[in-house]
Amino acid sequence: EAGVTQSPTHLIKTRGQQVTLRCSPISGHTSVYWYQQALGLGLQFLLWYDEGEERNRGNFPPRFSGRQFPNYSSELNVNALELEDSALYLCASSYPRAFFGQGTRLTVV
Amino acid sequence: DQQVKQNSPSLSVQEGRISILNCDYTNSMFDYFLWYKKYPAEGPTFLISISSIKDKNEDGRFTVFLNKSAKHLSLHIVPSQPGDSAVYFCAAGRGAGGTSYGKLTFGQGTILTVHP
Repeated sequence: EAGVTQSPTHLIKTRGQQVTLRCSPISGHTSVYWYQQALGLGLQFLLWYDEGEERNRGNFPPRFSGRQFPNYSSELNVNALELEDSALYLCASSYPRAFFGQGTRLTVV
Repeated sequence: DQQVKQNSPSLSVQEGRISILNCDYTNSMFDYFLWYKKYPAEGPTFLISISSIKDKNEDGRFTVFLNKSAKHLSLHIVPSQPGDSAVYFCAAGRGAGGTSYGKLTFGQGTILTVHP
């Protein structure tokens, strides 16, 4: 059984650009949780999607958004990238025991 | 406002000895606590959890202790092995209801190094 999968694994973008990250939860799981891990920091909760709806949101600006598709996969979109958006973006399914994907390393230059 | 704190950025232990990682929290509404292990360039891996109705949970070499009055939890690893070297995160969550449901709050992590 496949775990949580994320793509791409690495990404380099220029400040001001937009980026889309993708996640597929464990088969049978309907929820997707997004977290950001900036360098040297713990994981910060970004967004929770369940059954296609946004259920909860962390303290991030509106340029962080996402959506969930009918097959429960999800996209995280970040607009107007800033240097401090450089981080590891992690996707998880299940709560409270979260199963994480391997993450997408985003570098903004 | 950091609701979950790991005050030790790093811990160094000899192989075979006990590793004790600590975590403090401020929100008394948390009712579920977890420990995760993370290697570089990988996602966190679940280790062990405990609900607020318990004060101890064991799984093999790993034991988590919860002291609700002190708002403190700890992870004991006995015996420690070199393969345990990683970053360890504690996390806390709430049950159904309230604006915090679905959101895990993580500490900053502790780097554990186990020397052969």
